[in-house]
Amino acid sequence: DGGITQSPKYLFRKEGQNVTLSCEQNLNHDAMYWYRQDPGQGLRLIYYSQIVNDFQKGDIAEGYSVSREKKESFPLTVTSAQKNPTAFYLCASSTSTGVGEKLFFGSGTQLSVL
Amino acid sequence: GQQLNQSPQSMFIQEGEDVSMNCTSSSIFNTWLWYKQDPGEGPVLLIALYKAGELTSNGRLTAQFGITRKDSFLNISASIPSDVGIYFCAGAFSGGSNYKLTFGKGTLLTVNP
Repeated sequence: DGGITQSPKYLFRKEGQNVTLSCEQNLNHDAMYWYRQDPGQGLRLIYYSQIVNDFQKGDIAEGYSVSREKKESFPLTVTSAQKNPTAFYLCASSTSTGVGEKLFFGSGTQLSVL
Repeated sequence: GQQLNQSPQSMFIQEGEDVSMNCTSSSIFNTWLWYKQDPGEGPVLLIALYKAGELTSNGRLTAQFGITRKDSFLNISASIPSDVGIYFCAGAFSGGSNYKLTFGKGTLLTVNP
């Protein structure tokens, strides 16, 4: 089955630690995205990538980093510089970043701080 | 930046009732999307709208793209318990080559059997 796989489902971070969230897709989509979701809030864009080896900052990129070395993979690292990392993180992909292209989401990773 | 107001924030209804929720924007959009999110899962696309005035159905769900291009609404008819979840609207506008969706804060729907 085609889809987007995020792992792990739950992740705990110690203070000062960097953690990496995995996102893999087998939909052959060029564009991939990372969103952050806080309770009672809409989704906010962290980073997006239109093509391999290219990515752009979204609205809340500070404290996060990404890479896009392969078309199917777009890992997100939450660095120690992100002071409020507890949130639900969603990865998504689409055929392209053209207006109106539909986003397909993974099932998310809940990150909590120990 | 664009702002989306989604209302109501939450709804508690009885099974079988109809539901209506809406989104209004401070800017013109040329795409409106409606998503549903189950607890602990990612949002799933319900309906996509691309033209002002467009009315589209997906089973018991009906969504409309407002004539002013600044609003959209979603109706659910004859609600059932599995309709429980958070419903998000999202809008996009054409401007440059990059694609960014603006999401509403969601409507939490609870259906009492």
